[in-house]
Amino acid sequence: QVQLQESGPGLVKPSETLSLTCTVSGDSISTYYWSWIRQPPGKGLEWIGYIFDTGSTNYSPSFKSRVTISVDTSKNQFSLNLTSVTAADTAVYYCARRAGDYWGQGTLVIVSS
Amino acid sequence: EIVMTQSPATLSVSPGERATLSCRASQSVNINLAWYQQKPGQAPRLLIFGASTRATGIPAKFSGSGSGTEFTLTISSLQSEDFAVYYCQQYDKWPPEITFGGGTKVEIK
Repeated sequence: QVQLQESGPGLVKPSETLSLTCTVSGDSISTYYWSWIRQPPGKGLEWIGYIFDTGSTNYSPSFKSRVTISVDTSKNQFSLNLTSVTAADTAVYYCARRAGDYWGQGTLVIVSS
Repeated sequence: EIVMTQSPATLSVSPGERATLSCRASQSVNINLAWYQQKPGQAPRLLIFGASTRATGIPAKFSGSGSGTEFTLTISSLQSEDFAVYYCQQYDKWPPEITFGGGTKVEIK
């Protein structure tokens, strides 16, 4: 059974960098591609970007200037860095396999001083 | 960027009735279209991919149709567990640039 688990700080200060890691079990990160998706409170889903095991990435134009997604195949993990955060980046952040056939439970990140 | 538009935003349906949800793409996405169900406090769950293929374990009451720019999700005989928010998503091209629709909330009438 494929499982994904997000981890990272639940509170980030404005202008700082949001960093999250997704740990994958039940599948090799060397298959498919792996996504980050977020959902602001009470709003819809926003695709942030994804990464292949080779390190090749594709980012949403909405986040391209601020986002970096990286992969650690030895740990079967991939990570999200989002720079210069504001209150508008407060959201539940999900990691997912491919476009979303498997999802993590999500982690709420609040941007506040 | 391909824009996905879902209608209606809210759909009020009586238990036992059928719900029909629509999703329109701003340009053709072929059949590279998925539907997700999300309940409060939960991650989305994949229902349909390839516009009409049910994901593993999804009951036949959920059916998807369409191609190009117009898509439909039909849920037959709604039960209490089906009242949720439904999102469409396109993943056309390779590598895909993914976008979601704004969602349709299916509520009890």
